[in-house]
Amino acid sequence: NAGVTQTPKFRILKIGQSMTLQCTQDMNHNYMYWYRQDPGMGLKLIYYSVGAGITDKGEVPNGYNVSRSTTEDFPLRLELAAPSQTSVYFCASSYGTGHGDGDTQYFGPGTRLTVL
Amino acid sequence: AQSVAQPEDQVNVAEGNPLTVKCTYSVSGNPYLFWYVQYPNRGLQFLLKYITGDNLVKGSYGFEAEFNKSQTSFHLKKPSALVSDSALYFCAVRGWGGYNKLIFGAGTRLAVHP
Repeated sequence: NAGVTQTPKFRILKIGQSMTLQCTQDMNHNYMYWYRQDPGMGLKLIYYSVGAGITDKGEVPNGYNVSRSTTEDFPLRLELAAPSQTSVYFCASSYGTGHGDGDTQYFGPGTRLTVL
Repeated sequence: AQSVAQPEDQVNVAEGNPLTVKCTYSVSGNPYLFWYVQYPNRGLQFLLKYITGDNLVKGSYGFEAEFNKSQTSFHLKKPSALVSDSALYFCAVRGWGGYNKLIFGAGTRLAVHP
């Protein structure tokens, strides 16, 4: 049981480039989340999904897009990268409503992205 | 408004001494509260949570947290700190919105000195 996996671990982008951050979970969780972590700022929610085919915006969605075609995968797309998107990105998942452990989110190891 | 405050950027403790990492929250209704730990270059790991019941919650690695409704606090504690406990600690509260949203504090860096 690998939990939540993310690729790549590190990436450097030039301004204006695009990329997709991959996230996969093998716990059959319904809910999945993308966060960014900036120094001293805690985690901010970018997008979330409550099931395959259902996604919605979090606190800081501008400049990002997501899709959820399967239960396991929740990729995050950056279009036209900007220096302000330099951050560490974390994917998380949880069972969701109706499960005894539904509130606990489990995190991947993160992707460190630098935009120059 | 829903929010979490961790008033200390850093906490320094000698190995073997008790440690406390502070957290206060603001949320309407009954709070669901969490502590996570982040080791260098790693993702967040779940430590413990309070949903209901006993105000003292025990979690992983010997940590515990005390829920205090009147003071709206959920402080993380450990009776005897280890150097290996040095990490970044995040308090979080579940917000309302139908998707188990977590609102995180800014984090407290714990440094345990030999």
